[in-house]
Amino acid sequence: KAGVTQTPRYLIKTRGQQVTLSCSPISGHRSVSWYQQTPGQGLQFLFEYFSETQRNKGNFPGRFSGRQFSNSRSEMNVSTLELGDSALYLCASTLEGGRDTQYFGPGTRLTVL
Amino acid sequence: DQQVKQNSPSLSVQEGRISILNCDYTNSMFDYFLWYKKYPAEGPTFLISISSIKDKNEDGRFTVFLNKSAKHLSLHIVPSQPGDSAVYFCAASDSGGGADGLTFGKGTHLIIQP
Repeated sequence: KAGVTQTPRYLIKTRGQQVTLSCSPISGHRSVSWYQQTPGQGLQFLFEYFSETQRNKGNFPGRFSGRQFSNSRSEMNVSTLELGDSALYLCASTLEGGRDTQYFGPGTRLTVL
Repeated sequence: DQQVKQNSPSLSVQEGRISILNCDYTNSMFDYFLWYKKYPAEGPTFLISISSIKDKNEDGRFTVFLNKSAKHLSLHIVPSQPGDSAVYFCAASDSGGGADGLTFGKGTHLIIQP
């Protein structure tokens, strides 16, 4: 079974721009969560989508948004990029969410200049 | 305010010995704890978990111990192998667990010396 895939793997943007990251979960998984990893803050939960609806949300500003499609693929969007948004963005999928094991993708490394 | 703390950024252990990674938490609502392992350029991989109704869970070379009164958990790896060299993250959740927003520590980089 193919794992979680994320595209692109690397991205360089400038301040003020917006960016869209994509995540394809493991086949059959309906829940997708997004995390931001930075050296100073570690891994922080952004949001979780299940059946095309945002089910949980972390403590991030409204510039961070996401969506999920009917095939469970998910996208994350960051608008008006700031230097501090430079990070590794990880997505994880589970069957139904809850206490199902989360399977992580390799991440997208975003650099904001 | 960090709710899950891994106070050792790195740990060096000789091959064959026991590796002990520690994690402390402050939120008494946490009732489910997990350990993840991460290699460079890969996403974290689930290792082992423990519910607050238990104080120990074992899976092969990996054992997690939970001390609820001290709000402390530890991961023991015995014996340590070179492939265990990675960053280990402790994570916790409350009530819903799993994808309901895991709270992670900042990680401990474990280095296994030959």
